[in-house]
Amino acid sequence: AQKVTQAQTEISVVEKEDVTLDCVYETRDTTYYLFWYKQPPSGELVFLIRRNSFDEQNEISGRYSWNFQKSTSSFNFTITASQVVDSAVYFCALSGPWSQGAQKLVFGQGTRLTINP
Amino acid sequence: DGGITQSPKYLFRKEGQNVTLSCEQNLNHDAMYWYRQDPGQGLRLIYYSQIVNDFQKGDIAEGYSVSREKKESFPLTVTSAQKNPTAFYLCASRREGGTEGAVYNSPLHFGNGTRLTVT
Repeated sequence: AQKVTQAQTEISVVEKEDVTLDCVYETRDTTYYLFWYKQPPSGELVFLIRRNSFDEQNEISGRYSWNFQKSTSSFNFTITASQVVDSAVYFCALSGPWSQGAQKLVFGQGTRLTINP
Repeated sequence: DGGITQSPKYLFRKEGQNVTLSCEQNLNHDAMYWYRQDPGQGLRLIYYSQIVNDFQKGDIAEGYSVSREKKESFPLTVTSAQKNPTAFYLCASRREGGTEGAVYNSPLHFGNGTRLTVT
């Protein structure tokens, strides 16, 4: 069975600090996809990134970066120089290969991130 | 602009009543999904539909029903059989079809959600 664990329920930091959100996953599939979504107070989930299991390169997008390590089954998300607008709930998610129903995303419990001015 | 519209944003019902949550998308997406969000539990899949007139149960379908008569619409009915209906409900859609690589280039698009309170 697939599982995603976000052990950090809540994180609170002061603006401009760097913060890392942890995501650990479990799957028996050799092909799988990992996602990060942001849920601001308005409620909708906003897609941030998708990673497939064959691509272990880290990715950077502005102040956001993602560290994918298959050896530790982790897909961590770092925000550099955090801003108040980064305050949200962040979800990590996992899906299997298409043949087994890729539409069935499995979500972690979410991490509520609060950036204080 | 294309997107997903969920209505209403807040919904209050008495216990024992069925209630239907609306979800409409104008993204021309084939697949639509309903998720339930509870504090500390992330999102759980209720139902999903890949094409019109077809849908499948997700992980927590008991007490819920759906229909997919039109590509654009995927309403969710929370029946009186659902024991703990108070939650935040999110509708999502995704373009599907094509090659496997093309499917995965299409992330889920979410609506703003409906917060249902049953007393």
